[in-house]
Amino acid sequence: GNSVTQMEGPVTLSEEAFLTINCTYTATGYPSLFWYVQYPGEGLQLLLKATKADDKGSNKGFEATYRKETTSFHLEKGSVQVSDSAVYFCAFKAAGNKLTFGGGTRVLVKP
Amino acid sequence: DAGVTQSPTHLIKTRGQQVTLRCSPKSGHDTVSWYQQALGQGPQFIFQYYEEEERQRGNFPDRFSGHQFPNYSSELNVNALLLGDSALYLCASSNTKIPLRQGGNEKLFFGSGTQLSVL
Repeated sequence: GNSVTQMEGPVTLSEEAFLTINCTYTATGYPSLFWYVQYPGEGLQLLLKATKADDKGSNKGFEATYRKETTSFHLEKGSVQVSDSAVYFCAFKAAGNKLTFGGGTRVLVKP
Repeated sequence: DAGVTQSPTHLIKTRGQQVTLRCSPKSGHDTVSWYQQALGQGPQFIFQYYEEEERQRGNFPDRFSGHQFPNYSSELNVNALLLGDSALYLCASSNTKIPLRQGGNEKLFFGSGTQLSVL
């Protein structure tokens, strides 16, 4: 069935370190892919998205490329800040309007 | 411009009780979706409402029901509560009138959620 697998956390980094969070999906057809972020005490926010193969989504220094051949959508940021500490969710939308989420990856950036 | 608002923010119930959660969508949005987020897990889709009808449903029992009002606001009802229903319930809204490739129906705005504890 449809599912999203993302690396388990927590991921603990120092400020200015490089961040990668792996995400792979299983879905029929050509889904749209998303990364959402959940800051402490807040609701989910869309971080970036990609709607077709080889598209690169980017926002706030984060990037992810839609790789159809490997069914992946890994999230990267070259230099993290303390304010990037949050839980990150990979998700896709295939047929219909529902989002299927991964389990989330908690990221903690230390000064 | 108010975003998606949910009420209450926290709720404590006992097993077997019934609960109603409320959601007001972002201004200009006409579609409301509900998600359940158990502790340490990703959100799971419950159902979606558009034009006051349930349009799509996830893998949740009939104890979970909903309603959408003419002003697009929505309620989530859960009957015969179980301990396993304890979770953060998220409401998300979107605008079906914006074409898909312009972000329509793909950009969901989420509320901060209602934390339900079943004792």
